[in-house]
Amino acid sequence: QKEVEQNSGPLSVPEGAIASLNCTYSDRGSQSFFWYRQYSGKSPELIMSIYSNGDKEDGRFTAQLNKASQYVSLLIRDSQPSDSATYLCAVDTGRRALTFGSGTRLQVQP
Amino acid sequence: NAGVTQTPKFRILKIGQSMTLQCTQDMNHNYMYWYRQDPGMGLKLIYYSVGAGITDKGEVPNGYNVSRSTTEDFPLRLELAAPSQTSVYFCASSRNIEDEQYFGPGTRLTVT
Repeated sequence: QKEVEQNSGPLSVPEGAIASLNCTYSDRGSQSFFWYRQYSGKSPELIMSIYSNGDKEDGRFTAQLNKASQYVSLLIRDSQPSDSATYLCAVDTGRRALTFGSGTRLQVQP
Repeated sequence: NAGVTQTPKFRILKIGQSMTLQCTQDMNHNYMYWYRQDPGMGLKLIYYSVGAGITDKGEVPNGYNVSRSTTEDFPLRLELAAPSQTSVYFCASSRNIEDEQYFGPGTRLTVT
């Protein structure tokens, strides 16, 4: 089992819809969780961080964390074509460095 | 603040050549990292450093070396380049090991 798992996609949603991206992790002791966005040919950029169970909202983005079920999700409301990118989930597993998932590619159709 | 800077942006190497990828951060972060990202894949940790003079191996260290003589700089050395090292290399830094990482723009390396 991979430490951090994401569906590779592509996840295709129409413009204006809600995009839901999911990530599961294996280490129950993980404390820090991050969502990064990576446009093609660019470096990852941080969108959200979440540390406690529940929801955290920032503009059109909501991160959800459920430590009991070991998953973290990212909701993007009112999806725009400019949201089309690969979204990387990163988890602090307590060793070496953050562990990154392989990413989910999101396509927002105009 | 420039954040994390990397040079060069692009490089083509012949098999067996060597080169150093440069990485500098101006955020006074103790932690620095090198990743490689193959097409369509996630990030794989090559080496990381928890402070000046301290480095450790990541997931895929073979064929690479690093040094950390200052807080700001974390160069990655490729010795005897091989086609399998064709990839995009990202340098990143963070305040603490559990904190968010800030990434440089990347170096696209091709070995032919």
